[in-house]
Amino acid sequence: DQQVKQNSPSLSVQEGRISILNCDYTNSMFDYFLWYKKYPAEGPTFLISISSIKDKNEDGRFTVFLNKSAKHLSLHIVPSQPGDSAVYFCAARYSGGGADGLTFGKGTHLIIQP
Amino acid sequence: ETGVTQSPTHLIKTRGQQVTLRCSSQSGHNTVSWYQQALGQGPQFIFQYYREEENGRGNFPPRFSGLQFPNYSSELNVNALELDDSALYLCASSSAPLLAGELFFGEGSRLTVL
Repeated sequence: DQQVKQNSPSLSVQEGRISILNCDYTNSMFDYFLWYKKYPAEGPTFLISISSIKDKNEDGRFTVFLNKSAKHLSLHIVPSQPGDSAVYFCAARYSGGGADGLTFGKGTHLIIQP
Repeated sequence: ETGVTQSPTHLIKTRGQQVTLRCSSQSGHNTVSWYQQALGQGPQFIFQYYREEENGRGNFPPRFSGLQFPNYSSELNVNALELDDSALYLCASSSAPLLAGELFFGEGSRLTVL
């Protein structure tokens, strides 16, 4: 059973517009959420994170929103740029779980159209 | 600052064989974790090593084993390879304690089992 779900395998957005990537989770013990970005033939790179005590975290063009009651988070990219074309993974962890690692979603392939 | 490096980048094995994958952690990081990413899936946590001991493990059978060395580099060993072991194996390093959850990934070792 997938505990972190990214229901959109792909998303196409025009350059300059807003990209919104969604992620749902089922495990209410998760208290820290991260987004990773992956280019082909490269490892995932950390993008932005949010603690469950917050509902928003912003870093430049990237903003992550967390809705705990809905067990939903989203990543907003504004404005979208061609270099943003990549696979985006949502990940979660439970900080009290010791070394349990991150639980990842299947990823969303974001394509920025010129 | 040296990033996470993995070797080999690609390898092909046959069913029943054994494989060893290697990882050098980013300088200053003392914790290494391994993830398996099957085609079309997100990375899945295999295990984590801290101070040369396994201190966390995902849902993987015992034929997946590892080592961490005094210089914090690590190996992943898989015995009795099965076709389903074909995947990208990602190594990630971090500093303990993993407060922020941010991992630094290598480019991965792509294993094909025939």
